[in-house]
This record gives sequence, C-alpha cells and structure tokens, in this order.
Amino acid sequence: GESVGLHLPTLSVQEGDNSIINCAYSNSASDYFIWYKQESGKGPQFIIDIRSNMDKRQGQRVTVLLNKTVKHLSLQIAATQPGDSAVYFCAENMVHTNAGKSTFGDGTTLTVKP
Amino acid sequence: NAGVMQNPRHLVRRRGQEARLRCSPMKGHSHVYWYRQLPEEGLKFMVYLQKENIIDESGMPKERFSAEFPKEGPSILRIQQVVRGDSAAYFCASSPRQGVNEQFFGPGTRLTVL
Repeated sequence: GESVGLHLPTLSVQEGDNSIINCAYSNSASDYFIWYKQESGKGPQFIIDIRSNMDKRQGQRVTVLLNKTVKHLSLQIAATQPGDSAVYFCAENMVHTNAGKSTFGDGTTLTVKP
Repeated sequence: NAGVMQNPRHLVRRRGQEARLRCSPMKGHSHVYWYRQLPEEGLKFMVYLQKENIIDESGMPKERFSAEFPKEGPSILRIQQVVRGDSAAYFCASSPRQGVNEQFFGPGTRLTVL
C-alpha cells in the first residue's frame, strides 16, 4: 500500500553544520512532494515543494532532492540554526487525482546543538 | 491576513461525550482538509471539503465522525461518543482552489478524552 517513511526518526547536529533529512516513498504515481516543519504545539509549516519533473529545487538555506528511480526524497538545510530544531515531515501527493490530499511520513526530529 | 484558525486549541472530553472542532480557512480559501495526528506520528488525512460539499472522506472512520463546511461559517469536525483512542491533535488546512497543492495549516486542536 501507499506509505511515506523516513529513514531516521531523530537527527542531532551542531549549529552551523549542514543537515540532511531523508524520506522514502512507495507510491510511484505520486508526482508532488512537500517538506513541512512542525514546531512543538504548532501546525505544520510549508518549507519547500518539488514536482516529479524536477530532481532538485532550492530555497533559502534549503534544498530538496528527488530521486524517482529509488523513490527517495531528501531535505538539506545549510548552516543549521537552533531555530531549525523541529520535526520535519515529508508528504506526497498526486496533483491531478488527489486534489490536495497528502500522505505524510512519520517525521524526523531535528535537534540543533549550540 | 489571518491564517487558518482553529478552535478550541485544547478540548477535554469524557468518554461518551461529543467533540466539535472548528476551522476557519484563510480568507479567500474555499477548500478545507482535516488531518489527525497521533503522538509521535505523522498526519493522517481524514476528509476534504469544499463549501457545502464533501469531496473525499476516505480517511474518516465510518462511525461517530462527521464533517461539514457550510456556506457560511467555519468547517466543523464532529466526533460523537468519544473514546480514549480519539485523543489526538486535529489539524485543519486550507487551499484557495482545487489543484493547488500548497496547504496552509492551522495550529490544531488537541483533544484529550478522559
């Protein structure tokens, strides 16, 4: 069945280092992927997205890589800051069929040490 | 522009009572999605609504749960005869139109069933 999962449930990095959070998905029909950041007690916050016709997309300090061959997604955060500490979720979607219904992974907890 | 608003933020109910969760989408958004998040897990899709229409309720439990999005007023997620397993955070997201995948999430309602 459909599933979106993350390789590691927790990640601890030193402030200033780069962080890489990984995600595996199993539905080859998914064509839209989103990364969310969720801080304690808050709702998910959109970080960056990527469509399946791309393999890389960059934002401010963040880069998302998509490897459709192995159904793998990653989020890279440059120069990680304490404010980046949160749970990060990947989500998959199908643009034309699911009309916005997203399937979420279980999340990776990122802890940034000062 | 106010974001997605949810109330109450915290709701405590005893087993057998009813829970009503409200969601006001962002201004100009006519599409609402409800998700449930159990502790230490990702968000699970429940239902997708447009004004006066349920578009996709494939994630809703068959019994006790219902949702509506009336022409006027907020979207309501209603849980009848709550059980302890209903304890979770319930998030609402909105988007401006179908086919636009970026969803804006509210802060969530944390339901605790005693």
